[in-house]
Amino acid sequence: NAGVTQTPKFQVLKTGQSMTLQCAQDMNHEYMSWYRQDPGMGLRLIHYSVGAGITDQGEVPNGYNVSRSTTEDFPLRLLSAAPSQTSVYFCASIPRQGPYEQYFGPGTRLTVT
Amino acid sequence: AQKVTQAQTEISVVEKEDVTLDCVYETRDTTYYLFWYKQPPSGELVFLIRRNSFDEQNEISGRYSWNFQKSTSSFNFTITASQVVDSAVYFCALSEADDTGTASKLTFGTGTRLQVTL
Repeated sequence: NAGVTQTPKFQVLKTGQSMTLQCAQDMNHEYMSWYRQDPGMGLRLIHYSVGAGITDQGEVPNGYNVSRSTTEDFPLRLLSAAPSQTSVYFCASIPRQGPYEQYFGPGTRLTVT
Repeated sequence: AQKVTQAQTEISVVEKEDVTLDCVYETRDTTYYLFWYKQPPSGELVFLIRRNSFDEQNEISGRYSWNFQKSTSSFNFTITASQVVDSAVYFCALSEADDTGTASKLTFGTGTRLQVTL
């Protein structure tokens, strides 16, 4: 199993540009999440999904869109990038119904200039 | 609302010293999960331990041990005989259990950076 994969690893955007961060998992986990990590603030939940077709907002959802058309994929879209979205983004997945830990991807480092 | 506090921003120790990383949490839920993750300089998040709110037993895994005390809402992490490879940022995290018992949404502390030198 590849686990949780994220692409790209690094990305530089200009203010106003759009892009999609990709996340995929091959463990058949029902739940998937996106977190952002900023210096001194730990990780914060952006959006999460409890299954295909179901998404919900986390703590910091503004400026981000998500959809979940398959169990495997959970892309994060930035429609109009802002410097405040400069961060490291982590995708995670977790199996349903159990006290399991979240499995994190390797992260995407995004810089918005 | 849930909250996790890691008051120690950075700790420096000399190799072979013991070190304890503090974690204090706040939640109104009766069923919840606590976690510790390690983030080495390479950046990935490495799961260390999970504890549910009904299990207050302390746990030891090699040089690592965890002390969970509901009475003080704390979940502290001790590294015995620290090594240079332990240098990393350590995060404590808390999740409610949703209606399926899943730890679906993590609330992280701000992390403690541990520097172990020779």
